[in-house]
Amino acid sequence: QSVLTQPPSVSGAPGQRVTISCTGSSSNIGAGYDVHWYQHLPGTAPKLLIYSNINRPSGVPDRFSGSKSGTSASLTITGLQAEDEADYYCQSYDSSLRGLFGGGTKLTVL
Amino acid sequence: EVQLLESGGGLVQPGGSLRLSCADSGFTFSTYAISWVRQAPGRGLEWVSLISGNGASTNYADSVKGRFTISRDNSKSTLYLQMSSLRAEDTAVYYCAKGAPAGYYAMDVWGQGTTVTVSS
Repeated sequence: QSVLTQPPSVSGAPGQRVTISCTGSSSNIGAGYDVHWYQHLPGTAPKLLIYSNINRPSGVPDRFSGSKSGTSASLTITGLQAEDEADYYCQSYDSSLRGLFGGGTKLTVL
Repeated sequence: EVQLLESGGGLVQPGGSLRLSCADSGFTFSTYAISWVRQAPGRGLEWVSLISGNGASTNYADSVKGRFTISRDNSKSTLYLQMSSLRAEDTAVYYCAKGAPAGYYAMDVWGQGTTVTVSS
């Protein structure tokens, strides 16, 4: 059981918008700690998509956006493309500075 | 281009030890914190440990605390993970990941991973 809770799977058709939630608690996200998001394709290295809740690293398309409110955060992907099919993970940390990952969400592009 | 390359994975018996290495090329190694993250077969990503740029500060997941030790040699641009008292549940692909310049605990460069299998 991960401390950060994500839906196991989401799906959408090409061109649509999908949102992946990440729910924590007052000990992590709700304490004001940053949330980051990663895209992971099997057999490859994870890729940082969003850092510090809302920021995109250079090279990440603006179709990817992040938000945070209270004890939760969300990753939204607009204009869904076949290449977006992957596993997505949220990440934060706690007051003991232990890193935390969500359980991961498998995105299927229909 | 920044690159991280892990090595040292392999098959080890329960209760055994193994040392993983992560070599950097392309950036100022001592400037950034670096983490180990693992993924067990069929499971999600799990944060394992982090070490600060100068090596003075370390943190561990509860699942490995007291058994794993993270360290770094900035003169060799190399990160290490000494793993002891290994258990079957430590079987995973282990990644090293560089701390991003912005975003506490964000990781912007990852290695390709090295596989550790704990089995008799």
